[in-house]
Amino acid sequence: AQSVTQLDSQVPVFEEAPVELRCNYSSSVSVYLFWYVQYPNQGLQLLLKYLSGSTLVKGINGFEAEFNKSQTSFHLRKPSVHISDTAEYFCAVIGNTDKLIFGTGTRLQVFP
Amino acid sequence: NAGVTQTPKFQVLKTGQSMTLQCAQDMNHNSMYWYRQDPGMGLRLIYYSASEGTTDKGEVPNGYNVSRLNKREFSLRLESAAPSQTSVYFCASSGTGTGAEEKLFFGSGTQLSVL
Repeated sequence: AQSVTQLDSQVPVFEEAPVELRCNYSSSVSVYLFWYVQYPNQGLQLLLKYLSGSTLVKGINGFEAEFNKSQTSFHLRKPSVHISDTAEYFCAVIGNTDKLIFGTGTRLQVFP
Repeated sequence: NAGVTQTPKFQVLKTGQSMTLQCAQDMNHNSMYWYRQDPGMGLRLIYYSASEGTTDKGEVPNGYNVSRLNKREFSLRLESAAPSQTSVYFCASSGTGTGAEEKLFFGSGTQLSVL
């Protein structure tokens, strides 16, 4: 069975600073990986996904993530964050089933 | 353009009461899901339905039942609510395929409090 670990429950950062949200997964099979964002009082929206091919994946709102198979990681990055990026971010994985398994989430708080 | 619609948005129950959360999608998706979201726990899968007429348990199915009424609708029932079921519930749907093009569309959530 696959699982997802998000090591940081909260990440505070100042506006225009770079940020990295960490995600590690475990699976005995090939996986597909996703990052979702949840703004306050809203449902989840897909930021980006890795299915195959290039290990660097670009998503919406200037976010990108890099799939590293040897380190079983899929960290999310943004070179310069905005106040509007304040939200909760979830990493998720699908292995050999149709079930999407989520990490526990990382709350990104951007300060002016 | 509705996507995934959940009702109700808010609900307060007393311990032991029952209720059904409704979910409908208009995207002709095969798969539908119910998740609960709790602080520090992320989203946990309660039940899912890969197609009309089939349902399977997720990570935390105890205390819940589901019904895939048709392709559009997937309801979640709490037969005897408990305070531990206080949570935010999200319904989601996704298209066909083996997972290669998996993309979940989420409803806006139901805030449930059990007193």
